[in-house]
Amino acid sequence: QQQVKQSPQSLIVQKGGISIINCAYENTAFDYFPWYQQFPGKGPALLIAIRPDVSEKKEGRFTISFNKSAKQFSLHIMDSQPGDSATYFCAALQPGAGSYQLTFGKGTKLSVIP
Amino acid sequence: NAGVTQTPKFQVLKTGQSMTLQCAQDMNHEYMSWYRQDPGMGLRLIHYSVGAGITDQGEVPNGYNVSRSTTEDFPLRLLSAAPSQTSVYFCASSRTSADTQYFGPGTRLTVL
Repeated sequence: QQQVKQSPQSLIVQKGGISIINCAYENTAFDYFPWYQQFPGKGPALLIAIRPDVSEKKEGRFTISFNKSAKQFSLHIMDSQPGDSATYFCAALQPGAGSYQLTFGKGTKLSVIP
Repeated sequence: NAGVTQTPKFQVLKTGQSMTLQCAQDMNHEYMSWYRQDPGMGLRLIHYSVGAGITDQGEVPNGYNVSRSTTEDFPLRLLSAAPSQTSVYFCASSRTSADTQYFGPGTRLTVL
């Protein structure tokens, strides 16, 4: 059972446009929702994260929107740049027996074309 | 700080061979984990450790062993490699399991 569903699989956006990636979850025990950015040949790196008591978080051109009732959250990249071309993963953290576990979506490959 | 380091960067194995993927961190993090990344599958947790001497299974542990004798090192052992284990393997560490995880650069493994 896929606990975090991410869409779309791939996305092509023109430079200056808005990139939007969506994620949905089912487990209400998730209590922290990070987004990771991965460039080719590199490991994922934390981009931005949100807790469910907040509906929106903005850091520069990157914004997370969170809808707790719908169990959905999304990443918006404003004024998208070619340097934003990467694979983006949403994730969700849940407490478990003795530790938290991070569950990832399947990823979205973003290409920003000049 | 070097952060999280992984060796080797690339490896080709034949079916049935064994090998160890190395992972080390110099941030004094208690929590370390191994993920595998396959096309269209995201990152899946193989094993994790909440501290030296403590390990546990993740989502896809079969065919892999881990140990954690020191805080710094968390090697992943493939006992008898299979083509299904062809993947990119990432090690990550964090202060605790609830904190931001920092990923290494990955090991690309091909099993023929």
